[in-house]
Amino acid sequence: QSVLTQPPSVSAAPGQKVTISCSGSSSNIGNHYVSWYQQLPGTAPKLLIYENDKRPSGIPDRFSGSKSGTSATLGITGLQNGDEADYYCGTWDSSLSAAVFGGGTKVTVL
Amino acid sequence: QLQLQESGPGLVKPSETLSLTCTVSGGSISISNYYWGWIRQPPGKGLEWIGNIYYSGSTYYNPSLKSRVTISVDTSKNQFSLKLSSVTAADTAVYYCARRGWYYWFDPWGQGTLVTVSS
Repeated sequence: QSVLTQPPSVSAAPGQKVTISCSGSSSNIGNHYVSWYQQLPGTAPKLLIYENDKRPSGIPDRFSGSKSGTSATLGITGLQNGDEADYYCGTWDSSLSAAVFGGGTKVTVL
Repeated sequence: QLQLQESGPGLVKPSETLSLTCTVSGGSISISNYYWGWIRQPPGKGLEWIGNIYYSGSTYYNPSLKSRVTISVDTSKNQFSLKLSSVTAADTAVYYCARRGWYYWFDPWGQGTLVTVSS
């Protein structure tokens, strides 16, 4: 059972938008920055969003992040076949004194 | 362009010590404000943070693994290493090394190496 809760899966047609939620508590998301990762099949995770809403160089603006209270959201617009992957949120948990990740969300392009 | 590469045995016997090394290329490991970390992912499961090290040698470990984990750094070789003792089948996972930013984001990641614990 992950400290951060994500939906197991989301899906949408090409060109549509999906959002992935990441729910936590005051000991993690509520008081710490959130990052998001994309893991394509058989590959290492790749940083998509850091410090809640910042995109690393090279990440298209189709990917966006936001945080409100103890929840964070990753948005993907203009969905493409190449976006089919597992997506993870992550942050620090001050109660556990550990970096924690969500259980992951599988995005399917219909 | 910073790159990280894990290396080490792919098979470890139960009760023995897992040892992996991460080689950093395209940049110095001795850089301020960044840490170097290990994360693992059991087959078909999610990510688990193992611990971090700063180039000065300062470490921080996941409390759930702390009694069995040692992370060290060799700045002369631009490498950092992981040792996990008394392994069991539950430690079977893909082990990733990654650079850690100040606010606990990880980028870039190594390609990962599968370590299987089996006799």
